[in-house]
Parts: sequence; structure tokens; C-alpha cells
Amino acid sequence: GAGVSQSPSNKVTEKGKDVELRCDPISGHTALYWYRQSLGQGLEFLIYFQGNSAPDKSGLPSDRFSAERTGGSVSTLTIQRTQQEDSAVYLCASSPIRNEQFFGPGTRLTVL
Amino acid sequence: LAKTTQPISMDSYEGQEVNITCSHNNIATNDYITWYQQFPSQGPRFIIQGYKTKVTNEVASLFIPADRKSSTLSLPRVSLSDTAVYYCLVEGAGKSTFGDGTTLTVKP
Repeated sequence: GAGVSQSPSNKVTEKGKDVELRCDPISGHTALYWYRQSLGQGLEFLIYFQGNSAPDKSGLPSDRFSAERTGGSVSTLTIQRTQQEDSAVYLCASSPIRNEQFFGPGTRLTVL
Repeated sequence: LAKTTQPISMDSYEGQEVNITCSHNNIATNDYITWYQQFPSQGPRFIIQGYKTKVTNEVASLFIPADRKSSTLSLPRVSLSDTAVYYCLVEGAGKSTFGDGTTLTVKP
């Protein structure tokens, strides 16, 4: 079946612009995660959605970052007024109840 | 959530068994231990998951002692294609924190 998909695969933007990153999880997966990975680094947790519960936003680095998940499926990560330090690969993962996470290919964001 | 500690890097040769150990001293009762593999420019991929004792699948084994404060991923007879970053992750019902991972380099 289809895996987790993310779009766009690459995004180049200018400092100060807003960007939206999209994640389509595997159908039926109740949990959805967003991570950020800078070059050569590990994964930094950003936000977690589980079903209809309030999301865990504790990993968002600033109030410029926000995310939503509509209808328990598609999720959008929005970064407002982008900065150069926001440049990274943004990874989305979805999971069924038993915690194994299935990752998408990521969106590479470059802020000029 | 429990913090994990792994060696930064390991080298091995083709055909050898590789064991990567992860420490997670603050693991909670309901947490599971999961290992992921990541190749450059790809998202991490699930390898194996366990709660206690030993788990084995077609690609790896996971050894977890009784106190669950550490775990060891065992890769039998590695090949060049096993060169990757390996992440140990302690996962509960919610936020998950990846450590910095172990870069495994397999040499011919």
C-alpha cells in the first residue's frame, strides 16, 4: 500500500516568507509526528498528533511554527517569517497504535 | 521521555556481527525500545522493536536485560549496504525523542 508522502520534496524560499509543508499519512494511522533534521544531525521532535486529542506541541522551537491535522488525516506544518536557521529536512511520520513509525521522504527546506 | 545514549560511530567489516548498545536509564514502565536505520537523504526506517528479553526478526536481534536500562541491536553478517546511521528510540504514548544515532561504517 501507499506509504507516507510529503510535499513539496524541496522548497527554496527567501528569509521572511511563510512556508507550508504537507504530510499525507498512511490511511488508518492515528498518530502523526513532525521532526526536523539539520545536516548531519539527529531528528528533532516538533509536534505529535494522536487521534482527536490535543496535539503535543512541546517540540516547536518558536511561535513561528504551527501545525494542524485536518480530519485526522492530512497535516500541514507552517513556518512563518522563515529564518536561515530554519533550513533543514522536515520529516513526517505516521504510526498505528503500537508505536512503530513510518517515515515519509521529507521536505528539504532552504531559506536564502 | 527517557534520554538515550549511543556511541557516535562504529566500524566493521563485511561478514562480521555488529552489536550497538544504547543506554536509556530513565525508561518508563510503558515504554518500548525501537531501533531505526537511516540512509543519506532518506527518512528513518524501522528495524526492530522490543519491550524486554530478546526479539528477533529477519534482519536483526534486539537484546534487552531485565532492568531495561539498556538495549543492544545485533546485526548478523553485515554487508556494505548496512552502512547507515542507527537510532535507538524509547517510545511511549506520545512524543518521541531520537538521540544522535550511531554511524556504522562497513568496510570491505
